[in-house]
Amino acid sequence: DTAVSQTPKYLVTQMGNDKSIKCEQNLGHDTMYWYKQDSKKFLKIMFSYNNKELIINETVPNRFSPKSPDKAHLNLHINSLELGDSAVYFCASSLRAGVWDGYTFGSGTRLTVV
Amino acid sequence: AQSVTQPDIHITVSEGASLELRCNYSYGATPYLFWYVQSPGQGLQLLLKYFSGDTLVQGIKGFEAEFKRSQSSFNLRKPSVHWSDAAEYFCAVGARSNYQLIWGAGTKLIIKP
Repeated sequence: DTAVSQTPKYLVTQMGNDKSIKCEQNLGHDTMYWYKQDSKKFLKIMFSYNNKELIINETVPNRFSPKSPDKAHLNLHINSLELGDSAVYFCASSLRAGVWDGYTFGSGTRLTVV
Repeated sequence: AQSVTQPDIHITVSEGASLELRCNYSYGATPYLFWYVQSPGQGLQLLLKYFSGDTLVQGIKGFEAEFKRSQSSFNLRKPSVHWSDAAEYFCAVGARSNYQLIWGAGTKLIIKP
């Protein structure tokens, strides 16, 4: 029943490791997003895919790489994790880019790098 | 440049009291405006949105917001808050040019018993 689901919900890992976060939506939306929320709750867009095509690619380190195997899935892979990557990462989806019907968010993945 | 300002980092109100959260935006054209709520440990949930038409919009959970073009504002209101309304509230503007939502920094609502 969950509209946008992310896994895992919590991720604790050591510096230098590589990790992935998965996101799936069952709403039939065309567009998906990755956001980073820092400790002050500020939301920063990272990437967006519209029907598997990358349409937003903000200034993030090359260590972050999104992958969208189909329009229902958007994964985030992070190489060589650093302490500053610790944050909550949210996946979201919307009907399609340019249709302003609002976003549906997942419940977030809290990443802690130690 | 497009921007969204939520002037209050946190607001404390007593349970049962009325609430108004402020949001000001800077955007050249008619904006798409949104309010989202984030409960502790949760994702963001859409409360309401404004595209055009009636400037007073009703949302879920008893919230409403009023668009005032002359003041570039989209303030969120609730006549009587409940303890369960304690959360972080985000205002956002949809930028037509690049498909992005521009987010405010959020306002933390604290409810006093």
